[in-house]
Amino acid sequence: SAVISQKPSRDICQRGTSLTIQCQVDSQVTMMFWYRQQPGQSLTLIATANQGSEATYESGFVIDKFPISRPNLTFSTLTVSNMSPEDSSIYLCSVRQVDSYEQYFGPGTRLTVT
Amino acid sequence: AQKVTQAQTEISVVEKEDVTLDCVYETRDTTYYLFWYKQPPSGELVFLIRRNSFDEQNEISGRYSWNFQKSTSSFNFTITASQVVDSAVYFCALRPHTDKLIFGTGTRLQVFP
Repeated sequence: SAVISQKPSRDICQRGTSLTIQCQVDSQVTMMFWYRQQPGQSLTLIATANQGSEATYESGFVIDKFPISRPNLTFSTLTVSNMSPEDSSIYLCSVRQVDSYEQYFGPGTRLTVT
Repeated sequence: AQKVTQAQTEISVVEKEDVTLDCVYETRDTTYYLFWYKQPPSGELVFLIRRNSFDEQNEISGRYSWNFQKSTSSFNFTITASQVVDSAVYFCALRPHTDKLIFGTGTRLQVFP
């Protein structure tokens, strides 16, 4: 399985600011995803991070609010912009290996917006 | 519609009891994949198992077993002789051909000593 790391692991941010979350994988992967898990809830897909092109966003998520970069096959960033308390969640990076059907998740970033 | 239903919101058992977590899915795809993940209190999501739609064999891994039945669109997860370390939220997920994982709402399992 892929080893996925995320930075930061947690943060407390003020309303109106932005936070960039990094996801690093120890091997090349075909697909990278960003999920959000609001307190006590299930996981919701924000977007698929595409290498070298714009991310593909799910309904209800927009690029202005959640800009995503993926410069190569092992790294991606998610920015949560102009934060409000409703953005307080765990944000998880997820990857799928080139030759596998399994999908793995990073340790998550716990974001609290005050 | 693609959907995963985990009707059990929370289950509490005493150590050494067996417990079954239910998962019912909906999809029109003929090829799809089913997953179970464990989320302990630390928050990370731990992959437990993947099952292909064309493989209905049940699987056992130590104290864990999975029962996949296409006829009832169910993919249930049983923990035998539960332990306190099994306490976590367990998510069932479906991946149809679109490559997007669709999660159920999760079942919180509490195992008391």
